[in-house]
Amino acid sequence: QSVLTQPPSVSGAPGQRVTISCTGSSSNIGAGYDVHWYQQLPGTAPKLLIYGNTNRPSGVPDRFSGSKSGTSASLAITGLQAEDEADYYCQSYDSSLSGRVFGGGTKLTVL
Amino acid sequence: EVQLVESGGGLVQPGGSLRLSCAASGFTVSSYEMHWVRQVTGKGLEWVSAIGTAGDTFYPGSVKGRFTISRENARNSLYLQMSSLRAEDTAVYYCAREAAPGTSAFDIWGQGTMVTVSS
Repeated sequence: QSVLTQPPSVSGAPGQRVTISCTGSSSNIGAGYDVHWYQQLPGTAPKLLIYGNTNRPSGVPDRFSGSKSGTSASLAITGLQAEDEADYYCQSYDSSLSGRVFGGGTKLTVL
Repeated sequence: EVQLVESGGGLVQPGGSLRLSCAASGFTVSSYEMHWVRQVTGKGLEWVSAIGTAGDTFYPGSVKGRFTISRENARNSLYLQMSSLRAEDTAVYYCAREAAPGTSAFDIWGQGTMVTVSS
C-alpha cells in the first residue's frame, strides 16, 4: 500500500491527451511538499520527468506537464506518442514518515 | 558525463549481509544528498536510505537498524551495507542523486544492481 495513490493504468491513442493523478494526504502533498514525476521505460532506471510540481528538466518535451492542488497532483501528457508507453511514478516527502515516498506507479499504454 | 554505476548485488541467504557500491563520475558525491531506492521486480519504487552533505543519515522503518548508508569521498562513492537480509529485501537497488538541497527530486539514477535473498 503506497503512501501516494496512483491509478494502476491509463491508456490513450496516439495524439491524445492523458492525465495521471497522484493523491496524498495532509502529511505529504497537502503539507506543501513538492511532487516530482518519473518515467520508467521497460528494463531501465527511472528518469526525472517533472520536478517541483511543474518544472521540466532540460530535454524533457513540453508535451509533459505537472500540476498540484491541495492533497493531489497530476501529470498530463499531450500529443501521445508510442515511445511514451512506460510506467510513471509520483514522489514527494512525508513528514509523518520523515522520508521520501512514492506512488504505486501507473502503466501508460498507447493504443 | 554525470553518471552513477552500482555494483555488489548478488544472491545471499536469509539473515546474511551484502554491501552495495555506487561509483559517481562527473560530480562530487559529498556535495549532494545521495539516496538508495529499490524496486521489487514488477512492483513500484521504495526509498531505502539517504545521506546528507553533512553525513547525516535517514532510513524508513522497513530497513532501519539493518541497513547502513555511507560514502567515501576519496573514491567519490556511495555504499549500502545490508544485514539481517530477508526475502522481502529482494529487489533491484538504485543509487540516486538529489537534484539540489531540499528539492527531494532525484535527477541522476544508476542502472541498478539486483539483490536476491534466498536459500
